[in-house]
Amino acid sequence: GAGVSQSPRYKVAKRGQDVALRCDPISGHVSLFWYQQALGQGPEFLTYFQNEAQLDKSGLPSDRFFAERPEGSVSTLKIQRTQQEDSAVYLCASSLGRRTDTQYFGPGTRLTVL
Amino acid sequence: AQKVTQAQTEISVVEKEDVTLDCVYETRDTTYYLFWYKQPPSGELVFLIRRNSFDEQNEISGRYSWNFQKSTSSFNFTITASQVVDSAVYFCALSGGAGNMLTFGGGTRLMVKP
Repeated sequence: GAGVSQSPRYKVAKRGQDVALRCDPISGHVSLFWYQQALGQGPEFLTYFQNEAQLDKSGLPSDRFFAERPEGSVSTLKIQRTQQEDSAVYLCASSLGRRTDTQYFGPGTRLTVL
Repeated sequence: AQKVTQAQTEISVVEKEDVTLDCVYETRDTTYYLFWYKQPPSGELVFLIRRNSFDEQNEISGRYSWNFQKSTSSFNFTITASQVVDSAVYFCALSGGAGNMLTFGGGTRLMVKP
């Protein structure tokens, strides 16, 4: 079956612009995660959904970052008033939903803020 | 707090050599899960293996093998007879506690030369 898909794959934004990044999880996957990966580093957790409920947003770096998953499927990560330090790859992952389940990752969106 | 350390930032080997990637973790949880992911140049994180904290049996899958030692908090990954296609960044990750998020190490870049 289809894996996790993300769009766009690449995004260039001018400082101060708002951006929206989309994630389509694997069909039937209840849990959805967002991670941020800076150049040369490991991914870092941003936020987590179980169906449409956002259960953990402790990793969001500032109130400019906002995520939603209104129907429990597709998720959008929005960054308002982008800053240069927001430049990174944003990875989305999904899993079946139990704590033991493996997370499967999408290809990521590479955001560059000029 | 959880922590994963991959001390080797970059390893270079010649094809057909064996190579071991080290991973050391810290956690206060008694139940946790350890993972290895591969990130090729395309950027997508590819799941390789998951182990739970109660299963210390080593595992072999083709040219890949994993050595989990709870006594030293290590979960090392060995590639036997490396191939050029193994060139990638490899991440070790840990999950546990109340949330399902993964804590990643900084990654090890493996370069296999022909």
